[in-house]
Amino acid sequence: GPKVLQIPSHQIIDMGQMVTLNCDPVSNHLYFYWYKQILGQQMEFLVNFYNGKVMEKSKLFKDQFSVERPDGSYFTLKIQPTALEDSAVYFCASSPSGTGHGQLYFGEGSKLTVL
Amino acid sequence: GDSVTQKQGQVTLSEDDFLFINCTYSTTTYPTLFWYVQYPGQGPQLLLKVTTANNKGISRGFEATYDKGTTSFHLQKASVQESDSAVYFCALVDLAGYKLTFGTGTSLLVDP
Repeated sequence: GPKVLQIPSHQIIDMGQMVTLNCDPVSNHLYFYWYKQILGQQMEFLVNFYNGKVMEKSKLFKDQFSVERPDGSYFTLKIQPTALEDSAVYFCASSPSGTGHGQLYFGEGSKLTVL
Repeated sequence: GDSVTQKQGQVTLSEDDFLFINCTYSTTTYPTLFWYVQYPGQGPQLLLKVTTANNKGISRGFEATYDKGTTSFHLQKASVQESDSAVYFCALVDLAGYKLTFGTGTSLLVDP
């Protein structure tokens, strides 16, 4: 089936450093998302993105977070500076428009460890 | 805002047992309801989807009925297998937006 690729699969950084998580969404999908998962349970919505703009973001999407998809390449989540509470697995997802509304295709996640 | 409640954090069964995972939702609109399944080391993947109230979704032996009266979307399977061990998420998306709201997840462990 359609694949969403995430790079890196695991990143360890020191608190205060910057990190960029990369996502290669399913080709021809138009909507992109980031979710945060802690302890293998709750999937927390961070942000969604369409047509080059953030459509909606949650309270978890702090000022230190930013997303972009320059020139149709990777959809990225940048955290600058990082904090200890940012340690989690971050999942990227994409979805088609129209009747695919709500059916998200997820990557395998990027595990971020902030020391 | 939208919310989804899964009261069971963990369920342990033996093979061929009946599975029932509770899910209730709250929204002001007419949602589309989903069950996603997440296997270890993977992202969630769609298990089944129901767009219309009182309809049932069926996939891979799992089924769930969209009950607008009780605002529930419980997941059932007649006979579980060890390979069904995973985390199951109930979720909804409303008509107005494109945000998928997840429940807290139910971890299913099936002993062989």
